Amino acid sequence: TQLLEQSPQFLSIQEGENLTVYCNSSSVFSSLQWYRQEPGEGPVLLVTVVTGGEVKKLKRLTFQFGDARKDSSLHITAAQPGDTGLYLCAGDNNGNQFYFGTGTSLTVIP
Amino acid sequence: NAGVTQTPKFQVLKTGQSMTLQCAQDMNHEYMSWYRQDPGMGLRLIHYSVGAGITDQGEVPNGYNVSRSTTEDFPLRLLSAAPSQTSVYFCASSYVAGPYNEQFFGPGTRLTVL
Repeated sequence: TQLLEQSPQFLSIQEGENLTVYCNSSSVFSSLQWYRQEPGEGPVLLVTVVTGGEVKKLKRLTFQFGDARKDSSLHITAAQPGDTGLYLCAGDNNGNQFYFGTGTSLTVIP
Repeated sequence: NAGVTQTPKFQVLKTGQSMTLQCAQDMNHEYMSWYRQDPGMGLRLIHYSVGAGITDQGEVPNGYNVSRSTTEDFPLRLLSAAPSQTSVYFCASSYVAGPYNEQFFGPGTRLTVL
């Protein structure tokens, strides 16, 4: 059962462009995390959001948790080649398990 | 600190063979977990442990066994490999379970079952 759907699945943009990645679910999560994964490596945590409507910024990355805690978005301003990677969202069901999204593969072309 | 280590990095098995994927962490983390990653599917939780001697099933546990005899080690066993188990396997650990604790992932084991 895939609880979290991410869109788009693939994204290829030019350096300097802005982009938004979406993470949607019909389930409510107590928190949501965003990870970035590079080829041949494990995911690395970028941010955790826990309050409905919460917005967190990490340099050029802005993360938002939906008011109903069912969805989240990641916005990147002025993308750079170093932003290239697989972006994964993961929701916590207030237990001991995280449910990962389907992933968005981002390529930033110099 | 080495963080989370996984061995082997690559493995090819024939259908029906058994093997153990090793995972170790040196951060004294209580929570450890195993995920598999397939194209277009993200990561799916196989098994997890909240401490030594305690394990539980995740989203896709069938065909896999785990044990947690020490805090440091959390091996994943495939009893009779099947082609459907071809995947990349990641081990992760965090101080305790829950959203306020960052999960640290190992580099992964790429498994092919023929």
